[in-house]
Amino acid sequence: AQTIHQWPVAEIKAVGSPLSLGCTIKGKSSPNLYWYWQATGGTLQQLFYSITVGQVESVVQLNLSASRPKDDQFILSTEKLLLSHSGFYLCAWSLDWGDTQYFGPGTRLLVL
Amino acid sequence: GDSVTQTEGLVTLTKGLPVMLNCTYQTTYSPFLFWYVQHLNEAPKLLLKSSTDNKRTEHQGFYATLHKSSSSFHLQKSSVQLSDSALYFCAFSTGGNNKLTFGQGTVLSVIP
Repeated sequence: AQTIHQWPVAEIKAVGSPLSLGCTIKGKSSPNLYWYWQATGGTLQQLFYSITVGQVESVVQLNLSASRPKDDQFILSTEKLLLSHSGFYLCAWSLDWGDTQYFGPGTRLLVL
Repeated sequence: GDSVTQTEGLVTLTKGLPVMLNCTYQTTYSPFLFWYVQHLNEAPKLLLKSSTDNKRTEHQGFYATLHKSSSSFHLQKSSVQLSDSALYFCAFSTGGNNKLTFGQGTVLSVIP
């Protein structure tokens, strides 16, 4: 069975500080991976997707970047946090294009 | 452009009553429709995925039918339970890319 893990569970960070969030998936080879952002009580906004190691596509520009250093790992980062970065960050995976996406447990971020 | 619309922001119902949450979409491509449910402080979980046109799909007492003629995929349940209280998202993809577009979400609140 596939398992998806995100770290950290939660973060409180200062405006202007750097950030790195991680996601790993086990039990599935070469999955499509995604990053989403959700404001409190809001909808989900797809940020990035990756279909293979080293290749990441940006969907929206939010002063964030993503990388896929390994087949089972997806990293979201920024060098300088903004207040607007606060929210719930979710990693997801799918087997193929257009397939069902399954979400990880998420990371809650509060920027002060 | 492609879009998905959920018309209700909040639906409050007494336990045991039926519910229908609306979802309509707009696209020039052949769509895949999904319903995700998100309980408080949790990640979204897949509830239903559309099948072929006019075919009903069911899971955990919830059901939905894709109607391409009306561009709809409404979520229904015949008798809601207290545990159904959650945020429900309709989402769609067109299969030709990795973009999953979410509606604004509908909060279902079930009261005793």
